[in-house]
Amino acid sequence: SQTIHQWPATLVQPVGSPLSLECTVEGTSNPNLYWYRQAAGRGLQLLFYSVGIGQISSEVPQNLSASRPQDRQFILSSKKLLLSDSGFYLCAWSVRLGATDTQYFGPGTRLTVL
Amino acid sequence: AQTVTQSQPEMSVQEAETVTLSCTYDTSESDYYLFWYKQPPSRQMILVIRQEAYKQQNATENRFSVNFQKAAKSFSLKISDSQLGDAAMYFCAKTRNYGGSQGNLIFGKGTKLSVKP
Repeated sequence: SQTIHQWPATLVQPVGSPLSLECTVEGTSNPNLYWYRQAAGRGLQLLFYSVGIGQISSEVPQNLSASRPQDRQFILSSKKLLLSDSGFYLCAWSVRLGATDTQYFGPGTRLTVL
Repeated sequence: AQTVTQSQPEMSVQEAETVTLSCTYDTSESDYYLFWYKQPPSRQMILVIRQEAYKQQNATENRFSVNFQKAAKSFSLKISDSQLGDAAMYFCAKTRNYGGSQGNLIFGKGTKLSVKP
């Protein structure tokens, strides 16, 4: 069966510090991968998605970036965090099921920028 | 722009009773997929049920079923025999069916469901 991992689970960082969040998927090959952010009391916002190694598409321009160095690894980064980067970050994967992609989510990372 | 609207920020149901959560959406497409996700206090998003727009038959997963009204662009979730573990945020989402949907998953703002013992 497929599983998705995210770490760290919780992170507290000062403004201006770098960020690296990692997501890995097991039990599947060539998944589509996604990064979402959920601000407090709000819905999910798609940040990045990837359909393959080195292929990253950005949905929202900001000071975050994403990379996919391996087939089942997806990394979210920032060189300098802003207060507005605080939130809950969710990674998701999908493989074409039938005629569409059903997305399955990881446990998330709670990021607090102080 | 496509939108997904959940008009009920909060709902409450008595244990063992039935509750219906509403969702409407805006789209010009004829072929797409709809989802309901559950987010418990742990905050992990869990897929509850999905519906293909080209299917007239409403999807069902155990105690969870949907009422899909394509013409009205409505996609409600019915939870039967509600259990304490059903308490969570519920998100309605829509995606587009084409070669490589590539992240076109649009979420509503969610409905917080409380279950009273």
